[in-house]
Amino acid sequence: RKEVEQDPGPFNVPEGATVAFNCTYSNSASQSFFWYRQDCRKEPKLLMSVYSSGNEDGRFTAQLNRASQYISLLIRDSKLSDSATYLCVVQGGTSYGKLTFGQGTILTVHP
Amino acid sequence: ETGVTQTPRHLVMGMTNKKSLKCEQHLGHNAMYWYKQSAKKPLELMFVYSLEERVENNSVPSRFSPECPNSSHLFLHLHTLQPEDSALYLCASSQGYIANEQFFGPGTRLTVL
Repeated sequence: RKEVEQDPGPFNVPEGATVAFNCTYSNSASQSFFWYRQDCRKEPKLLMSVYSSGNEDGRFTAQLNRASQYISLLIRDSKLSDSATYLCVVQGGTSYGKLTFGQGTILTVHP
Repeated sequence: ETGVTQTPRHLVMGMTNKKSLKCEQHLGHNAMYWYKQSAKKPLELMFVYSLEERVENNSVPSRFSPECPNSSHLFLHLHTLQPEDSALYLCASSQGYIANEQFFGPGTRLTVL
């Protein structure tokens, strides 16, 4: 089983749509969770951290379910500029401090 | 220069060549990382340096040799690579090894012929 598993997509949605990405992780000892964004031919950048209570940053909402070892990202009112690969990232577990990246989910928002 | 820079941005080398990738961070961080990103695969952590000491080496073949002369600079020395080593090599830095956010450089696109 992969340490961090994501649906690779691609997701093709129209502007204004709501889209949700899911991610599961295998190590129950994992401590911290993040979503990174990677634009085409660019480096990954932190989008947001994910907290147990759920957290929101503008149009983006992240949720964590430790019991199910499941992380989600919801994007509301999609913009063309949201087109990117979204990387689910887990810290800790097998190696203290290490970030483990999922394969990424590709999102394309079209007019 | 700001953030994390990497040179060269693109590199083509033969299997018998020796080359080096360079990374420099201008953020005052004390931890630096090398990652490999291959097509349709997750980022793979290769090496971690914290306070200029190597703290992780993820079973990387010896044809990859890292060097961290100070907290701002990180090198990846390459020799006798294989075609399957062709990938995007990303450098990152963070403040502390157990950090919430890593800042990535733009990467070096490596092609091994």
